[in-house]
Amino acid sequence: GAVVSQHPSRVICKSGTSVKIECRSLDFQATTMFWYRQFPKQSLMLMATSNEGSKATYEQGVEKDKFLINHASLTLSTLTVTSAHPEDSSFYICSGGQVPTEAFFGQGTRLTVV
Amino acid sequence: AQSVTQLDSQVPVFEEAPVELRCNYSSSVSVYLFWYVQYPNQGLQLLLKYLSGSTLVKGINGFEAEFNKSQTSFHLRKPSVHISDTAEYFCAVSDYVGGFKTIFGAGTRLFVKA
Repeated sequence: GAVVSQHPSRVICKSGTSVKIECRSLDFQATTMFWYRQFPKQSLMLMATSNEGSKATYEQGVEKDKFLINHASLTLSTLTVTSAHPEDSSFYICSGGQVPTEAFFGQGTRLTVV
Repeated sequence: AQSVTQLDSQVPVFEEAPVELRCNYSSSVSVYLFWYVQYPNQGLQLLLKYLSGSTLVKGINGFEAEFNKSQTSFHLRKPSVHISDTAEYFCAVSDYVGGFKTIFGAGTRLFVKA
């Protein structure tokens, strides 16, 4: 299957700083990328849908000013957690692929805010 | 709106025994159904999918699932499990209501005992 590369796999940051997570499609063009958040022992919750060259669509309850999504090219989408706080600590996962037949997931990013 | 219910949060089973992980969904339109597996601190890997056609779907690692429209179910089965099947399993449903989205169930932890 296609490969989605997500970096970093783990990051620890201080409270109040910003963190950028990158998601790259290595062998296909992703016109749409999805960003999920997963708390321990819980399911994936869709945060936002990003479309190349346009603004992301955020799910209800997700702060768009806190979670900045950029999808500037067909192979790269980024999620920036701004002014991070301990409650933002979570596992973040991106996915892209052929809608609707299959979504390919990144390896995930474990964010810890201290 | 879509919803996915995984009826069992944990399923312990002995090695070489059969297993069934249950999944029910609701949606107002035609859906696409998926099962994913997640190992600790990793992204999701697709096990199998139902898009159309035959209601019995075979996937990787010996897993299969049956789409039952009347019961709105998509249960995952394996006739003989291995220790290596221990992981978290997510059922997911996708449709185009309000734009393409994939919603995940809460997950089922399969624990295979020796």
